[in-house]
Amino acid sequence: EIVLTQSPGTLSLSPGERATLSCRASQSVSSSYLAWYQQKPGQAPRLLIYGASSRATGIPDRFSGSGSGTDFTLTISRLEPEDFAVYYCQQYGSSQYTFGQGTKLEIK
Amino acid sequence: QVQLVESGGGVVQPGGSLRLSCAASGFTFSSYGMHWVRQAPGKGLEWVAFIRYDGSNKYYADSVKGRFTISRDNSKNTLYLQMNSLRAEDTAVYYCAKADGYEIDYWGQGTLVTVSS
Repeated sequence: EIVLTQSPGTLSLSPGERATLSCRASQSVSSSYLAWYQQKPGQAPRLLIYGASSRATGIPDRFSGSGSGTDFTLTISRLEPEDFAVYYCQQYGSSQYTFGQGTKLEIK
Repeated sequence: QVQLVESGGGVVQPGGSLRLSCAASGFTFSSYGMHWVRQAPGKGLEWVAFIRYDGSNKYYADSVKGRFTISRDNSKNTLYLQMNSLRAEDTAVYYCAKADGYEIDYWGQGTLVTVSS
């Protein structure tokens, strides 16, 4: 099973700042199989990025994804108040799907 | 618009069974794979199971393999999760989710399963 480790666990930033979230895999992941989600309290997750770098429908262009192999990054270029939430990466490999443990993005 | 509505959650004793259902609408259910994903209180997301669009392949997390069974009825646009031999650690909100390729593009609002004596 591929384990995804997200860092940092918590990121404290101010609106307008740039956020960089990391997702590291225990073994190589195809870029096609890596996605990012946002979850706000009391809500279901929302797909942000698929295929490591493609934005889902309706996702603002301040969200971008990059990376390959074992290291992937979600970048939010200029934080808006509604971006403070928990973010998860997710991968598929060998008939198994796994999520990272999440990064909480909080207002500083 | 896509709608996924879970039902069947509740309180069950350890060792008991429960069947979750997910009613799907707003898309061609028989053309898409479907997932169950759970989230324990205050914890992160855990993938549980996946079923292909035609039910021909099913995948499970190691934590539920042999105890949970995912199934679907394409004539009723409904996804199921049969959960047996439930444990305290199975307590979670269970989400039904639609696959699009290797990611999940729509989620239900979830149904809470509590395993407690």
